[in-house]
Amino acid sequence: ILNVEQSPQSLHVQEGDSTNFTCSFPSSNFYALHWYRWETAKSPEALFVMTLNGDEKKKGRISATLNTKEGYSYLYIKGSQPEDSATYLCAPRTGANNLFFGTGTRLTVIP
Amino acid sequence: DSGVTQTPKHLITATGQRVTLRCSPRSGDLSVYWYQQSLDQGLQFLIQYYNGEERAKGNILERFSAQQFPDLHSELNLSSLELGDSALYFCASSVEPGVNNSPLHFGNGTRLTVT
Repeated sequence: ILNVEQSPQSLHVQEGDSTNFTCSFPSSNFYALHWYRWETAKSPEALFVMTLNGDEKKKGRISATLNTKEGYSYLYIKGSQPEDSATYLCAPRTGANNLFFGTGTRLTVIP
Repeated sequence: DSGVTQTPKHLITATGQRVTLRCSPRSGDLSVYWYQQSLDQGLQFLIQYYNGEERAKGNILERFSAQQFPDLHSELNLSSLELGDSALYFCASSVEPGVNNSPLHFGNGTRLTVT
């Protein structure tokens, strides 16, 4: 069992606001960090896979950074839209060949 | 559409019974992962297969078993079912044997209700 913490647990923002979430994980034996978006009644969908310290990835208005030495990753959403409403999951791989998912940050974007 | 197919979508059964959940991975993917999501909990890793061989094991109960067949589809067998086994079971696939660089592609899940 891996201690993966995501904060905040939930977040309400107004349409157009920018926001960010945090994923914290043990920094030892780090291999990779995955971010997924999980919309209600759908299945989780991959956003990013990050492996190197200092990595920055971007997909449209969503971007992520990775700090493997201190064990955290940030996910940023610029100019939030209602369709961004979802639960955002992070999942590190450290050591064992599987991903340990955090409980996620539930984002609600208010039109 | 992720390309991962899970059947059935819903399953209602009684305690003590046995069920089989089926997963067909995305075309070209050799790895299959099974996850369980219970109420108010995150995705819990159960087991992974790569090209027919068990690759990694998580918190899978002894009452549960899985296998991956030569055509790469996988089945998760749950026996002596208890009320606490009610959950959403996801299958995911990826092209690589590990989870370093390849994202997981998730199916839509099977919702199991044990009454």
